[in-house]
Amino acid sequence: DQQVKQNSPSLSVQEGRISILNCDYTNSMFDYFLWYKKYPAEGPTFLISISSIKDKNEDGRFTVFLNKSAKHLSLHIVPSQPGDSAVYFCAASENRNAGNMLTFGGGTRLMVKP
Amino acid sequence: DVKVTQSSRYLVKRTGEKVFLECVQDMDHENMFWYRQDPGLGLRLIYFSYDVKMKEKGDIPEGYSVSREKKERFSLILESASTNQTSMYLCASSIAGGRTDTQYFGPGTRLTVL
Repeated sequence: DQQVKQNSPSLSVQEGRISILNCDYTNSMFDYFLWYKKYPAEGPTFLISISSIKDKNEDGRFTVFLNKSAKHLSLHIVPSQPGDSAVYFCAASENRNAGNMLTFGGGTRLMVKP
Repeated sequence: DVKVTQSSRYLVKRTGEKVFLECVQDMDHENMFWYRQDPGLGLRLIYFSYDVKMKEKGDIPEGYSVSREKKERFSLILESASTNQTSMYLCASSIAGGRTDTQYFGPGTRLTVL
C-alpha cells in the first residue's frame, strides 16, 4: 500500500499561471517532506523541503504547504515557466534510522504551455 | 557540487544474465541507495547502505543484491535478469545524521531485459 500518493498523474498549465501539485500521505510518523523534479533521461534533483514543525516554506517561485491534520502537502509554482515542465515527485521520511530513507509518491507530470 | 555517476546510461541484457550496475559518488557521503523507477509507481527503494559493507533491504529487494566495498561505490547486482526487471535504475547518496534527508541522484541507467 502506497504511503505517499500523488493522485494526479499529469497537469497542464499555461505559462505565467500558478501550478499546484498535490501529495497525500498516510504514515503519521513522517516528519520531513521533500519535492524533487525530474527531466527525461536525468536523475531527480532536489527542489524544496519542509519540516513538520512548519506549515509553509518558500524558495523563489516555489512554495510548499503542509497540512498535517489532513496529511496533505502541495507545491505551488508561481509563475509557471515552460522550463518547469518535468515530472515532480513528493517524498517523505521519518527520523527512524541512520539511512533516513525516503518514500516517494508516483509522480505528477507538469506541462507548462507557452 | 555533489556528483553521483552511474556506469551506464543504457543497458540491454538477456534473460538469465548476471547484471552489474555501478554507482560512484564523490562527496564522501555515508548513505547510498538504489531505486527503480516505473511509470505510476514512482521511485521504489531496492537496497540502501549506511556504511561500507553494511546493507539493508528496501521495499523491493527480491531478485537483487548489492555490494559496498568502498565508501564511494555502491553496486547493484541482478543475479539472473528477468524481463520484469526492465526499468530505470537510479542511484542516490546522502549525508548521515541530523535531518539532512536530501538525497542526490545519478542520471539513471535504463535497463532492458530481453
